[in-house]
Amino acid sequence: SAVISQKPSRDICQRGTSLTIQCQVDSQVTMMFWYRQQPGQSLTLIATANQGSEATYESGFVIDKFPISRPNLTFSTLTVSNMSPEDSSIYLCSVEEGIITEAFFGQGTRLTVV
Amino acid sequence: KNEVEQSPQNLTAQEGEFITINCSYSVGISALHWLQQHPGGGIVSLFMLSSGKKKHGRLIATINIQEKHSSLHITASHPRDSAVYICAVSPTSGSRLTFGEGTQLTVNP
Repeated sequence: SAVISQKPSRDICQRGTSLTIQCQVDSQVTMMFWYRQQPGQSLTLIATANQGSEATYESGFVIDKFPISRPNLTFSTLTVSNMSPEDSSIYLCSVEEGIITEAFFGQGTRLTVV
Repeated sequence: KNEVEQSPQNLTAQEGEFITINCSYSVGISALHWLQQHPGGGIVSLFMLSSGKKKHGRLIATINIQEKHSSLHITASHPRDSAVYICAVSPTSGSRLTFGEGTQLTVNP
């Protein structure tokens, strides 16, 4: 199984600023996934991060707002840019491994924008 | 209609009770996942199953592929089981994981 270390675990940020969330995996993985979970709702996929290429964004999410880096097979960052209160959510990174893929998640980043 | 539906949305139980959470899905799947989310936000994978039944400690997960239905059972529930339980499926279409909306479980002492 994969162990994912995600940080920060929580932050309170001012409107208009940016926050970068980091995820470190204890093994090499091809794809990493970034999710947003708005209050009281289920997880929504933001983007898929592949090493050596640009991230693939889901409908409704754009690179300017959520830039992603994937410098190697064990690390990725997600930046939430020019934040507004509507960005207040839990952000999670995830990896999947195996032929029938089991999912592993980071500890989550609880973001509050004031 | 969501592709993954969970019931109930909220569940309150007394310590020691037997708990069942249900999940129905409407797409072809290669696997179904039961996840546990604690108040801090982190998610732990409890089970991944594609047929039959799995057991881990006090937790049991079953799946009926023909009926497109899965259940998560907790025996002898304990306050530390209080969490959000999420059902997710891996569609055979190759789409990413599809999540249910979660069941908030509260176990009172």
